[in-house]
Formats: sequence, structure tokens, C-alpha cells
Amino acid sequence: GQSLEQPSEVTAVEGAIVQINCTYQTSGFYGLSWYQQHDGGAPTFLSYNALDGLEETGRFSSFLSRSDSYGYLLLQELQMKDSASYFCAAGGSSNTGKLIFGQGTTLQVKP
Amino acid sequence: NAGVMQNPRHLVRRRGQEARLRCSPMKGHSHVYWYRQLPEEGLKFMVYLQKENIIDESGMPKERFSAEFPKEGPSILRIQQVVRGDSAAYFCASSSSSSTDTQYFGPGTRLTVL
Repeated sequence: GQSLEQPSEVTAVEGAIVQINCTYQTSGFYGLSWYQQHDGGAPTFLSYNALDGLEETGRFSSFLSRSDSYGYLLLQELQMKDSASYFCAAGGSSNTGKLIFGQGTTLQVKP
Repeated sequence: NAGVMQNPRHLVRRRGQEARLRCSPMKGHSHVYWYRQLPEEGLKFMVYLQKENIIDESGMPKERFSAEFPKEGPSILRIQQVVRGDSAAYFCASSSSSSTDTQYFGPGTRLTVL
């Protein structure tokens, strides 16, 4: 089967750094994406890793290790507005675009 | 550049009725995906379509659910004879290619079955 595991909740304070981990088991794998969702609204694309290593986009970075079937999202200089759900998603094929999502991690940022 | 549009945003149906959910992809995008999300859960892939073609429907229930993306007009997800278990948020996403690097999501349609 195909599954992605991520923690259900994470709490951090404003200005801190938080890491959300994601491990995956998929029959095919073409990269790991991260999406943010506020209050059940439209998921918003954050980052994508097709190759091993770190991708940096402003305050957000994402890491992938194919050999470990593992990735993480790193959020720096946390702001209150970062309180949201974060989903990792695996692409299982190069020609379907189908994404398999994890259950999501709810991040609560406290003052 | 308008984003992905979905309508209606909220839909209430009684058991046994039909639900029609519409999705207009971003301008220039010809790849459309439908996902379903239950409360406190992740998004579950349902179907992937290109213009006039269903490419991957491996996540669609075999009965009552159908999807189309005609040459003209929006993509439509149709649920016939709805049941309470169909209550969920249905999200549409679009992309410019079939690669899985970036999909742009619409605001979703929240279906409630009474």
C-alpha cells in the first residue's frame, strides 16, 4: 500500500524553529511535496523535493532522503499566522500527477 | 490570473439526491484533480482528468461517482443518490503538466448530506 506518516500535532512559540517530519511508503515515488492548509481552506503549495537534499524558500525549507524514505519541513522565525495544518504528499508516478497525502500535522504557534 | 474556481462553496443535499460539483482550473492548465477530505484527515485522491479524458480514476468509488472534463466548460464531479457518508470537503486542483511538483487547489465545496 501507500502511506505517509507525520505527527498529528506540534506546538511551538513565536520566533522559534519547528521541524515536521514525514516518512513514506509508496510503491512508486517521484518526489515529496508540502502543503499548508488554514482552517479547512484551500491547500497551498509550499515546497517540493524531487532529489535528495535541502530546498529553501524564504522561511520554509524542505528536506528529502530517498534512501531513508524520509523528509521534513522546517519552518523558521515562526509567526502566529503559521498556525495551520501541514501535509506532506508523495507523487507516485511521473505521468498521473496523483498525490498521496499524509494525515496532516496541526501546528499551533503560541505567543 | 484567476486561481482555481469551485462552485458551489457549500452544498446541502438530502439522501438520495444528486450532487454536482464544478471546477474551473487556472488559466492555461489542462490537468485537473479531485480530492476528498473528511474532517481532521488528509486529502484522498479521487480522479485525474485532462480535457475530455479520464487519466486515473483509481480513487473513485465504483458506484454513484463520476467525473468529466469536457472540451468546453468546467470539470464536474457528480455524485448520484448521495448518502450521509458522502459529506466531506471536495477539493479540485489543477496543474500545467502531469508532473507532481505543484498543484494549485481551489477553495473546495463542502457537501452536507442530511
